[in-house]
Amino acid sequence: AQSVSQHNHHVILSEAASLELGCNYSYGGTVNLFWYVQYPGQHLQLLLKYFSGDPLVKGIKGFEAEFIKSKFSFNLRKPSVQWSDTAEYFCAVNYKGRDDKIIFGKGTRLHILP
Amino acid sequence: SAVISQKPSRDICQRGTSLTIQCQVDSQVTMMFWYRQQPGQSLTLIATANQGSEATYESGFVIDKFPISRPNLTFSTLTVSNMSPEDSSIYLCSVEAGGAKDTQYFGPGTRLTVL
Repeated sequence: AQSVSQHNHHVILSEAASLELGCNYSYGGTVNLFWYVQYPGQHLQLLLKYFSGDPLVKGIKGFEAEFIKSKFSFNLRKPSVQWSDTAEYFCAVNYKGRDDKIIFGKGTRLHILP
Repeated sequence: SAVISQKPSRDICQRGTSLTIQCQVDSQVTMMFWYRQQPGQSLTLIATANQGSEATYESGFVIDKFPISRPNLTFSTLTVSNMSPEDSSIYLCSVEAGGAKDTQYFGPGTRLTVL
């Protein structure tokens, strides 16, 4: 069955530290990939997405993610985090051609210490 | 983008009762989705609601338990019927909008607690 794995459930970093959140998916076909973020008290919102083309995608607020097809991964990165990045981050995958539905990971709760 | 509102934002209900959650979008959209997010779990798609047709339910979800209405292109309701404590969850409405297929915009969610 299709699945999405986020390796870290809870991450705590200090400001200015570098961030990498892992995301792996289980299907080897065509996929669309997403990272969503939910800041405290706010709606879930799109951070970035990959459909095709350059596997390194840039999102809002300095985030980027790299699609590595051979590793079935779409890790989220930010070189220097800020306190305002404290949020929950969800990786999501649309398995094209197989039900064509989006499956979410369990989320990673990120705490940035001031 | 799309602006989505949900009512109620939260509720505490007794076992055996039903709750209807409303989702309103500020623009016309073809597809609306209902998700459930149980504590510590990922978002799970309950069903896809298309205007003018019956909702399409995902495996493990049935119309008798989660009836959905979609009377027009800006509104949908999800009812959680005959509730039990296991239904305690956040229920989220989302839409695809702006021609960006697969990109979803989410409502604020409805936090439901069943006693």
